[in-house]
Amino acid sequence: AQTVTQSQPEMSVQEAETVTLSCTYDTSESDYYLFWYKQPPSRQMILVIRQEAYKQQNATENRFSVNFQKAAKSFSLKISDSQLGDAAMYFCAYRSYYSPGGYQKVTFGTGTKLQVIP
Amino acid sequence: GAGVSQSPSNKVTEKGKDVELRCDPISGHTALYWYRQSLGQGLEFLIYFQGNSAPDKSGLPSDRFSAERTGGSVSTLTIQRTQQEDSAVYLCASSLEETAGNTIYFGEGSWLTVV
Repeated sequence: AQTVTQSQPEMSVQEAETVTLSCTYDTSESDYYLFWYKQPPSRQMILVIRQEAYKQQNATENRFSVNFQKAAKSFSLKISDSQLGDAAMYFCAYRSYYSPGGYQKVTFGTGTKLQVIP
Repeated sequence: GAGVSQSPSNKVTEKGKDVELRCDPISGHTALYWYRQSLGQGLEFLIYFQGNSAPDKSGLPSDRFSAERTGGSVSTLTIQRTQQEDSAVYLCASSLEETAGNTIYFGEGSWLTVV
């Protein structure tokens, strides 16, 4: 079974600065997806960024980028030019690429609470 | 609808009572998921629907938990004889179809408190 570990329960960053959230995972599979989700106080989980394991290039979405190290099974999220609206819980998640015979559930980490200081 | 809609937003119930939580997925989404989020924990998978059938119920924690989906749309998660350990946020999500790369869209959750 796959596991996802987020070792930083809380992080803080000054507005306009850069912060990196860590995520490691354990799997024996070679093909999979990795995700970062944001959960603001409204509780609605929002997809921030997605990475396919077979792609060597790190995914980027505006101010959000990832550092995907497949051999190390590491998937960190970098937020540049942090804004007050970035304050939220951030969850790292894993999903198998193949679903022979059915569904592959998404496995989530325990989350990192990000505080943005004005 | 525009997004995944869940009701009630908040529910306080007495221990031993039954509760029903409702999820209205995005129109046209065939895949529907229920997750549970306890305080300080990640998301715990409960059940997955493809259309009206539930090929994966492996996450339901006990036989007090059940879920159904009708018309390939609305889903109801029922918890019978609630216990205090059932207190959590119950999140529903949907996606266009069951493909690993498809984006899963979440609702805002139903916050259940059992007193």
